Amino acid sequence: DAGVIQSPRHEVTEMGQEVTLRCKPISGHNSLFWYRQTMMRGLELLIYFNNNVPIDDSGMPEDRFSAKMPNASFSTLKIQPSEPRDSAVYFCASSLVRNQPQHFGDGTRLSIL
Amino acid sequence: DAKTTQPPSMDCAEGRAANLPCNHSTISGNEYVYWYRQIHSQGPQYIIHGLKNNETNEMASLIITEDRKSSTLILPHATLRDTAVYYCIVRVGGDSSYKLIFGSGTRLLVRP
Repeated sequence: DAGVIQSPRHEVTEMGQEVTLRCKPISGHNSLFWYRQTMMRGLELLIYFNNNVPIDDSGMPEDRFSAKMPNASFSTLKIQPSEPRDSAVYFCASSLVRNQPQHFGDGTRLSIL
Repeated sequence: DAKTTQPPSMDCAEGRAANLPCNHSTISGNEYVYWYRQIHSQGPQYIIHGLKNNETNEMASLIITEDRKSSTLILPHATLRDTAVYYCIVRVGGDSSYKLIFGSGTRLLVRP
């Protein structure tokens, strides 16, 4: 079975540009999560969706970040405008329901120059 | 903040059992112990979880003490591919049960 699929795997862009990260969760999973991982802060939850509805976005760092889930099989995380401090690995995860094990994608390694 | 304490690093020989400890002295009655690992350049991988009974699956065994204040993840026959950072997480119940708070984990090195 296909796991969580993220694209692109790597993104390098200049400061000020818009960045869009994409995620396809495991089919049938109702919960979707976006995380960010940095050396300084470790792995942090950015936002949690349940049945395509954002439930907890308290981890989104600032208004430059936005996330959408237009349907059960697709989600995006957008940064506009991007800044060098946004450089990190961004992971998407999904679970059957909110309290079941989360399954992670292989992440997008984002570098903002 | 993470509610668990783990040693920063451990090592073991290939083929031997790897026993990774975790302290969670403030765990509540409805909170589960979860283990994940992260191999370099990959996303975290779910390993196992438990409430109070010991658990075993194809990857590992989880031993939880009777008072639930600590647990041990056991990889029975470690291989080089088990080299990773292992995270012990206490998962709350109720409305916040979706939250996984990752700490610093234990970096396990399996030696040839």
